[in-house]
Amino acid sequence: GQQLNQSPQSMFIQEGEDVSMNCTSSSIFNTWLWYKQDPGEGPVLLIALYKAGELTSNGRLTAQFGITRKDSFLNISASIPSDVGIYFCAGRGGYTGANSKLTFGKGITLSVRP
Amino acid sequence: GAGVSQSPRYKVTKRGQDVALRCDPISGHVSLYWYRQALGQGPEFLTYFNYEAQQDKSGLPNDRFSAERPEGSISTLTIQRTEQRDSAMYRCASSFFGLAGERSYNEQFFGPGTRLTVL
Repeated sequence: GQQLNQSPQSMFIQEGEDVSMNCTSSSIFNTWLWYKQDPGEGPVLLIALYKAGELTSNGRLTAQFGITRKDSFLNISASIPSDVGIYFCAGRGGYTGANSKLTFGKGITLSVRP
Repeated sequence: GAGVSQSPRYKVTKRGQDVALRCDPISGHVSLYWYRQALGQGPEFLTYFNYEAQQDKSGLPNDRFSAERPEGSISTLTIQRTEQRDSAMYRCASSFFGLAGERSYNEQFFGPGTRLTVL
């Protein structure tokens, strides 16, 4: 099945650094989402974006919905050890019917060195 | 409970056996989704329900896979005659239906998953 493009597969940063990750798609999505997955847990929603060009923040996290509706990026500022995990982007076409399913990227594993 | 729950958390079975995976959604959530996540991949859509009606089963890989939600609450994903390639994490998510209130409130909340291993 289709998956969104996330790369690289892994990122290693120093505690306190900022990190950016982006996500691209060959298809248009009307909603972009960023989830974080910790070991043994399901994905947890971090940020949701609903409008092309929208920039949204949640604490140290900032995400943007690309103008073309085919991409999004997530920025984490001043990283801390608990930011370690797998970050997934996901796109959704709509809220009802077949459009309500989520299409995910492969995820980026983030490691933070103390 | 407060979140989506799934059982069992781990299931090891022999090739050819049938397995049933259970999902208990967040109370009040009308929509329920099943995804499969292979190692190193993101979740991939399998099927979803609104209330008890299966709305889309386009992601089910073949006819050995089926799902039901007879009373519009708990759902069961059944895999018949399991094969080694069925080994994966099976995740369930639930959400409100459509739009209600704050937008992010309508997004899908995921359970911890069932790790299926077929020997």
